[in-house]
Amino acid sequence: AQTVTQSQPEMSVQEAETVTLSCTYDTSESNYYLFWYKQPPSRQMILVIRQEAYKQQNATENRFSVNFQKAAKSFSLKISDSQLGDTAMYFCAFMKRKGAQKLVFGQGTRLTINP
Amino acid sequence: DTAVSQTPKYLVTQMGNDKSIKCEQNLGHDTMYWYKQDSKKFLKIMFSYNNKELIINETVPNRFSPKSPDKAHLNLHINSLELGDSAVYFCASSHAGTSYTGELFFGEGSRLTVL
Repeated sequence: AQTVTQSQPEMSVQEAETVTLSCTYDTSESNYYLFWYKQPPSRQMILVIRQEAYKQQNATENRFSVNFQKAAKSFSLKISDSQLGDTAMYFCAFMKRKGAQKLVFGQGTRLTINP
Repeated sequence: DTAVSQTPKYLVTQMGNDKSIKCEQNLGHDTMYWYKQDSKKFLKIMFSYNNKELIINETVPNRFSPKSPDKAHLNLHINSLELGDSAVYFCASSHAGTSYTGELFFGEGSRLTVL
């Protein structure tokens, strides 16, 4: 069974700073997807960024980028130039590429951006 | 136009009652899901349907019965509600087959409170 671990329950940074959220996972699969989802106070789950395991290049989406270390089974999220609107719970998630499409989530990291 | 919509968004009821949550998606996706988010914010899959066929049933008590009348709708009926059923229930949908990207699109969640 796959497991996803986020070791930072809470983080807090000042606006415009850079912050990195950690995520490790455990799987015997070689082909899979990794995701970061954001859940603001509105409760809606929003996809931030997606990485396919067979791609060595780290995914980037504007101010969001990942550091994907497949051998170490690590998938951290870096938010550059953080904004007040980035305040949210962030969930790391894993999905096998084949078979049942099931997202396995980490415990979440509550990120607060302070003005 | 809401892509994945759930009703009701809030539900307060007494122990022992039966309640339903409805979900509809207008994205043309083949696969729909129910996820449960507990009081500690942990998200876990409950059910998955592909073209009205049950694909995933994650050791959920049989008081929970999903129903998919067509591939755009997935409803969740809960019998004999218990205190521990209090949670936020998220509906989600995704592509399948050759259009599969791994990304799930979530509804806004339905907060169920059992008194």
